[in-house]
Amino acid sequence: NAGVTQTPKFQVLKTGQSMTLQCAQDMNHNSMYWYRQDPGMGLRLIYYSASEGTTDKGEVPNGYNVSRLNKREFSLRLESAAPSQTSVYFCASSFSGKQETQYFGPGTRLLVL
Amino acid sequence: QQQVKQSPQSLIVQKGGISIINCAYENTAFDYFPWYQQFPGKGPALLIAIRPDVSEKKEGRFTISFNKSAKQFSLHIMDSQPGDSATYFCAATVTSGTYKYIFGTGTRLKVLA
Repeated sequence: NAGVTQTPKFQVLKTGQSMTLQCAQDMNHNSMYWYRQDPGMGLRLIYYSASEGTTDKGEVPNGYNVSRLNKREFSLRLESAAPSQTSVYFCASSFSGKQETQYFGPGTRLLVL
Repeated sequence: QQQVKQSPQSLIVQKGGISIINCAYENTAFDYFPWYQQFPGKGPALLIAIRPDVSEKKEGRFTISFNKSAKQFSLHIMDSQPGDSATYFCAATVTSGTYKYIFGTGTRLKVLA
């Protein structure tokens, strides 16, 4: 049982490049989330997916897109990376409606030059 | 109204001492208040959580105190140990909705040996 896995662990991009962050969970959770963590800002929700086939914007969605590929996988795409998107990105999942706990992945460190 | 304010930003405690971290919220619809612990290079993990129908919850050396009228809750770490050195986040959510967490900005705790 791997829990929540994220790839890659670390990435360096140049301004304007695109990339997709991958997230998968094996806990049969229905809800999945993408957060970014910046010093002094805590964890801010970018997008979430309450259930397979649905996605909604969180607090800071600008510059990002998401895809809930299936129940297990939820990807985050940066179409044209900007230095302001330098951050640590965390994916999380939960069994919404039955259990409130969100389980987090190990994170992806992204540096945009 | 959606904010959760957390203090202090950083905290240094001697081994064996008590660590106290405070959070305040405005939205009276919040009905689940978790605390997450994050070690460097790792994702956050649930430490302890409380619902507003109780004023205190204790798990080992960790206690949440909850003051519904003041809209405040706090984490107390008794007999603090160097292994408790981590960043702590409080959060709040409305469990009848989409389980979106609102996180505090985090407290970096260092316990001196």
